[in-house]
Amino acid sequence: KAGVTQTPRYLIKTRGQQVTLSCSPISGHRSVSWYQQTPGQGLQFLFEYFSETQRNKGNFPGRFSGRQFSNSRSEMNVSTLELGDSALYLCASSPRPWLAAYNEQFFGPGTRLTVL
Amino acid sequence: QKEVEQNSGPLSVPEGAIASLNCTYSDRGSQSFFWYRQYSGKSPELIMSIYSNGDKEDGRFTAQLNKASQYVSLLIRDSQPSDSATYLCAEGDSNYQLIWGAGTKLIIKP
Repeated sequence: KAGVTQTPRYLIKTRGQQVTLSCSPISGHRSVSWYQQTPGQGLQFLFEYFSETQRNKGNFPGRFSGRQFSNSRSEMNVSTLELGDSALYLCASSPRPWLAAYNEQFFGPGTRLTVL
Repeated sequence: QKEVEQNSGPLSVPEGAIASLNCTYSDRGSQSFFWYRQYSGKSPELIMSIYSNGDKEDGRFTAQLNKASQYVSLLIRDSQPSDSATYLCAEGDSNYQLIWGAGTKLIIKP
């Protein structure tokens, strides 16, 4: 079974630009979560999608948004990029749709975003 | 504010010894706990999940959960240099969200 895939793997943008990251979950997984990871802050939860609906949202500004398509693929968008948005963005998919407390999450390789 | 706390380390352990990693959590309603390993520059990979009090063993890894004391630990027997990584603890809280610890850096010295 193919793992979680994320594209692109590396991205360099300048302040003020916007960016869209893509995630394809493991086949059959319908829940997708997004995380931001920086050396100083660790793993920070952005949001979780299931069946094209945002189910949970972390404490990030509205510049961070996402969506999920009917095939469970998900995208996240960051508008008006700031230097502090430089981070590794991780996508994780889960086999169980609702009971996140029992969900084992499987991570993709991440997209490393650098904002200049 | 629900929290998962881990000692950031680094924890240095000689090769062949037992490495013991600990994690405490604040939400008494938490039902599930996970240990992930993350090598530098890579994404986290799931090592073990544990849902019930007691021990759960998988190869050289043993997860221990004590809900009364609100801690979960990971033991790595016969530690190898390839076990050197950051270990992340996560709990599924009572609101069905995953709360992550900041991770413990483990160094296995040959």
